Amino acid sequence: DTGVSQDPRHKITKRGQNVTFRCDPISEHNRLYWYRQTLGQGPEFLTYFQNEAQLEKSRLLSDRFSAERPKGSFSTLEIQRTEQGDSAMYLCASSSQQGPENEQFFGPGTRLTVL
Amino acid sequence: AQSVTQPDIHITVSEGASLELRCNYSYGATPYLFWYVQSPGQGLQLLLKYFSGDTLVQGIKGFEAEFKRSQSSFNLRKPSVHWSDAAEYFCAVGALFKDTGRRALTFGSGTRLQVQP
Repeated sequence: DTGVSQDPRHKITKRGQNVTFRCDPISEHNRLYWYRQTLGQGPEFLTYFQNEAQLEKSRLLSDRFSAERPKGSFSTLEIQRTEQGDSAMYLCASSSQQGPENEQFFGPGTRLTVL
Repeated sequence: AQSVTQPDIHITVSEGASLELRCNYSYGATPYLFWYVQSPGQGLQLLLKYFSGDTLVQGIKGFEAEFKRSQSSFNLRKPSVHWSDAAEYFCAVGALFKDTGRRALTFGSGTRLQVQP
């Protein structure tokens, strides 16, 4: 399967713990996006990478959130000192510089539950 | 700022009936418009997209959508719904980041489709 993959698919944690999610984009895609989706809502943009450079961050990305893409391939999203309001589906998407700029391909998501 | 409105939170149709899901957008320039579908436990799958040209676009799974600039709408249609179409449908607009000119997707809140036998 050559689609976008995310790990883990589900994460349950206690309030105050740190969690880290991983996203592996489609191999030839140099653009990577993170979104958050809460119940009953559409995805909301969090951050965007082109290669290893983080070029955009949403105001939703508080200082407890950090994202990296160190070698321009996979990316990680870390949430420190988790809060119950962080419970959501975290989606990763990737796109190619060759194709239409916004045709994004999504992974299956990581569902986070903070107890 | 750009926004997307999907007025129908939940729609139920009978199998074989026609379907139209509404989407209205707000964006100052020519929009890039998308419809995605999300099945339970799955990621988002692109159904179709509009960038320019013919305002009636065809997508996968027999779906089509029509861009109407005068109404700021991009409604999704299917002539005959199958039980497997039951899912959540999201309309999205690709809009420029203010500072860099790069694009992000802004999604509507979705329409959940139920299909009755």
